Amino acid sequence: GQQVKQSSPSLTVQEGGILILNCDYENDMFDYFAWYKKYPDNSPTLLISVRSNVDKREDGRFTVFLNKSGKHFSLHITASQPEDTAVYLCAAGPMATGGNNKLTFGQGTVLSVIP
Amino acid sequence: GGIITQTPKFLIGQEGQKLTLKCQQNFNHDTMYWYRQDSGKGLRLIYYSITENDLQKGDLSEGYDASREKKSSFSLTVTSAQKNEMAVFLCASSIGLGGQEQYFGPGTRLTVL
Repeated sequence: GQQVKQSSPSLTVQEGGILILNCDYENDMFDYFAWYKKYPDNSPTLLISVRSNVDKREDGRFTVFLNKSGKHFSLHITASQPEDTAVYLCAAGPMATGGNNKLTFGQGTVLSVIP
Repeated sequence: GGIITQTPKFLIGQEGQKLTLKCQQNFNHDTMYWYRQDSGKGLRLIYYSITENDLQKGDLSEGYDASREKKSSFSLTVTSAQKNEMAVFLCASSIGLGGQEQYFGPGTRLTVL
């Protein structure tokens, strides 16, 4: 089954708006959560990440909120801009580097910001 | 800084053909990955390797082989290409497993006629 799920395949927002991308996960051992951004014909790059010892991490216009009891995390983007148009992939996994601790990615959300 | 290169950029094959994709990284990372990207399905892990000569199956390993010839290179083989298959294969590397940032290559786009 899909361990990490993104509920919206696509989202459209007007420039300047606030948007929220959601991600749910199943494994309660996960303690590392990340959002990757992918422009068309480009590779994914890490946008922002958070460990489970905090429930929020902010970086400029981007904030990750973590709800560990609900096995849910989200990416909030404020003052959205046309250059935010991209595919956003959530990822979750164990923080520790050993064993079989690989990341699992969600299906991606295609975000379009309309000028 | 560093870079990941993938060859070829475009790969066209025939049904049943064995096809090999190559990946090189100069980050000196221990861990390397092969993902398959399909529209609407995100990134699915095919194989990964935590060090030279190591090989671990991902969720989508059936129909593929991989080889970590040396620390800097990781190749993926499609053992028998499926007709009308189209996908992008992404290679990535990271310092280690777990919560380590993954750096992705530009991808190889496969088309099977």
